[in-house]
Amino acid sequence: DAKTTQPPSMDCAEGRAANLPCNHSTISGNEYVYWYRQIHSQGPQYIIHGLKNNETNEMASLIITEDRKSSTLILPHATLRDTAVYYCIVRVLISSGSARQLTFGSGTQLTVLP
Amino acid sequence: AAGVIQSPRHLIKEKRETATLKCYPIPRHDTVYWYQQGPGQDPQFLISFYEKMQSDKGSIPDRFSAQQFSDYHSELNMSSLELGDSALYFCASSVRTASTEAFFGQGTRLTVV
Repeated sequence: DAKTTQPPSMDCAEGRAANLPCNHSTISGNEYVYWYRQIHSQGPQYIIHGLKNNETNEMASLIITEDRKSSTLILPHATLRDTAVYYCIVRVLISSGSARQLTFGSGTQLTVLP
Repeated sequence: AAGVIQSPRHLIKEKRETATLKCYPIPRHDTVYWYQQGPGQDPQFLISFYEKMQSDKGSIPDRFSAQQFSDYHSELNMSSLELGDSALYFCASSVRTASTEAFFGQGTRLTVV
């Protein structure tokens, strides 16, 4: 799977947008970008994923650059409960269309400040 | 909605003992993944199963084995436990089709003393 690079930590004021960057310059055409987060010692929680186009759901938005070499996860109105480690994961699909396992790298510790 | 169930939630074992962790995937999910997360570490992939067959293998020690049963639940068996095996063990499940997310359980905290 392609390697991802994320800043080790970020702070964000409560109520403001949190923008978490991820670099995946070696991504291949058949690899999706996934975002998960892990609140202290809980199981990782799925946030969003995308291939080429920008995606939005009730939790967040995912902006993928046109060359797909980087992406940004946006939490539009961060709350204290969004404090967590955020993982950007590039996940390869195998030829049958099935997905390989998620490989966690070093994520970003987001701290939302009151 | 049903989630991934792991049992037990906490387990304390002595060195050289054995442990069995169980994972019950979300209904109709055909793939199970096991992860190990040591203190202050990121989750590390151990092994996965698809339709009861081993699918991928990560950094799983030879002392560990796992299987997926006919009802799709999975068990991780750990023998000759070492202090370094103390960690959170997560199970995740998914449908093995393109671009579907994996859902994680709340984990089993194993402490080896």
